[in-house]
Amino acid sequence: ETGVTQTPRHLVMGMTNKKSLKCEQHLGHNAMYWYKQSAKKPLELMFVYSLEERVENNSVPSRFSPECPNSSHLFLHLHTLQPEDSALYLCASSQRTGEDNSPLHFGNGTRLTVT
Amino acid sequence: QKEVEQNSGPLSVPEGAIASLNCTYSDRGSQSFFWYRQYSGKSPELIMSIYSNGDKEDGRFTAQLNKASQYVSLLIRDSQPSDSATYLCAVKGNTGKLIFGQGTTLQVKP
Repeated sequence: ETGVTQTPRHLVMGMTNKKSLKCEQHLGHNAMYWYKQSAKKPLELMFVYSLEERVENNSVPSRFSPECPNSSHLFLHLHTLQPEDSALYLCASSQRTGEDNSPLHFGNGTRLTVT
Repeated sequence: QKEVEQNSGPLSVPEGAIASLNCTYSDRGSQSFFWYRQYSGKSPELIMSIYSNGDKEDGRFTAQLNKASQYVSLLIRDSQPSDSATYLCAVKGNTGKLIFGQGTTLQVKP
């Protein structure tokens, strides 16, 4: 296993379902991130965790709930989503957060479709 | 005004030509600048970073930064069909937040 691994790759869910996205990093990084990528829009930062502590929440609706049990794992719990939440959800990790220049390493993403 | 602005393209260049990708940003205090490449259906991968004014070269790629004009560009020499992808400009400001542009789609035609 190398890099950042996300599961599932594709997910279709109804608006009343509850599902979770999983991310695992094998790089020994201390920071993990959730990004949302919609068509024709820039990557949107959703959440940042540093050493398992949430350090940023970018006004994300409460129907998205992150969880970081340890520095290698990150989850995004989904419930009562809307069709406009359909997007590619990318997990990323970096050595640190904040002022340093450590680059982001992205997973392959989960393509989410809400019906 | 968008924080990081890129022309979405597509930018079409013939094989062997120089592809020039441009990015402007609004935060004058920005210190770190990155170019990511994203193939269709894949995740973004870092290809260049630049922190000071001027040019930085890495193989066929050259990043150019002009902080006075709040402008960063990526030049790809001897473009290959395998360079066809979306190129994302990302800028880190004083807050430490990494802001992405919407990306420029590059098509290199054989």
